[in-house]
Amino acid sequence: NAGVTQTPKFQVLKTGQSMTLQCAQDMNHEYMSWYRQDPGMGLRLIHYSVGAGITDQGEVPNGYNVSRSTTEDFPLRLLSAAPSQTSVYFCASSLRGRDTDTQYFGPGTRLTVL
Amino acid sequence: GEDVEQSLFLSVREGDSSVINCTYTDSSSTYLYWYKQEPGAGLQLLTYIFSNMDMKQDQRLTVLLNKKDKHLSLRIADTQTGDSAIYFCAESIQGFQKLVFGTGTRLLVSP
Repeated sequence: NAGVTQTPKFQVLKTGQSMTLQCAQDMNHEYMSWYRQDPGMGLRLIHYSVGAGITDQGEVPNGYNVSRSTTEDFPLRLLSAAPSQTSVYFCASSLRGRDTDTQYFGPGTRLTVL
Repeated sequence: GEDVEQSLFLSVREGDSSVINCTYTDSSSTYLYWYKQEPGAGLQLLTYIFSNMDMKQDQRLTVLLNKKDKHLSLRIADTQTGDSAIYFCAESIQGFQKLVFGTGTRLLVSP
């Protein structure tokens, strides 16, 4: 198993550009989520999904869209990037999202918006 | 609202015990977690404790939970240089692993 993979590892955008951060898992996990990590702060939940076709907002969803057309993939879209979205983005997955399920994190995507 | 706080930095010598502390504000937390993040990597779950437990031991790791004071700690016995990392505590508020993370404690272990 590759676990949770994220692409790209690094990305630089200009303000107003759009892009999609990719996340995939090969563990047949139902639950997937996106977090952002900013200096001096813990991870904050952006969006999550409890299964294909089902998504919901987390703590900081503004400026981000998600979709879950397959179990394996959970892309995060920035429609019009802003400097405030400069951050490290982590995707995570777990079997069903229960509190006792181990949550596996990807290696992260470091995004800079100029 | 939810708020999880940790001290930013801890430095210990190899072989000593490390204690990383965390305070949280939401008394409805069901589970509390400790994650480890090594440089350039994602988070790795170390251990978790159910909110009606006081203590959980897992090899070199001991988690203590004081619900009255909303205080959580992680003790690492016989700390090794490979334990150098950032440690995050997190609480689960509404289930489905909608976690609220602390700011992280950077542990530096010197030989």
